[in-house]
Amino acid sequence: SAVISQKPSRDICQRGTSLTIQCQVDSQVTMMFWYRQQPGQSLTLIATANQGSEATYESGFVIDKFPISRPNLTFSTLTVSNMSPEDSSIYLCSAGSTDTQYFGPGTRLTVL
Amino acid sequence: DAKTTQPPSMDCAEGRAANLPCNHSTISGNEYVYWYRQIHSQGPQYIIHGLKNNETNEMASLIITEDRKSSTLILPHATLRDTAVYYCIVRVAQSNYGQNFVFGPGTRLSVLP
Repeated sequence: SAVISQKPSRDICQRGTSLTIQCQVDSQVTMMFWYRQQPGQSLTLIATANQGSEATYESGFVIDKFPISRPNLTFSTLTVSNMSPEDSSIYLCSAGSTDTQYFGPGTRLTVL
Repeated sequence: DAKTTQPPSMDCAEGRAANLPCNHSTISGNEYVYWYRQIHSQGPQYIIHGLKNNETNEMASLIITEDRKSSTLILPHATLRDTAVYYCIVRVAQSNYGQNFVFGPGTRLSVLP
């Protein structure tokens, strides 16, 4: 299994600012993903973080709002840009193993 | 959209077996059944997965019907710490490392003392 850590674990931000969330995996994995979980809801995939190329975004999510980097096989970042209160959610990183996927503890974001 | 349906909530007495059902009537031949759970304020935790045979590990057992259109996750001796939302997901495995999972609303299991 893969152990995934995220930083920060939580943050409170002002409207209009940006926050970058870091995800670190303890082993090399081929694919990494970012999810959002809005209050009281299930998880929604934001994008697939591709190493060495642009992320692949799901419908409803765009690169300008959620730029993603993945410089190597164990690390990725998600930036939530120009935040509004509607962006208040838990953001989760996950990483693919050979036949399953493991999740980080999440970053709880509150936008005022 | 999620390809599974689960009851929104269930209760189980502490120490008893918790049996969580999942329907996946449109499952394809190469799709696995995965179970995850999410304890409040934590990231989803992998429990078990299987293709067509029943599977057991230290956490749970997975029973898949012969036609593969439904399955049951069994927690043999539920404890209060098993209170969580349980997600049943179908997905192709091993054809492409780490394909993403589509999460439905899951079943909220409450283990009662």
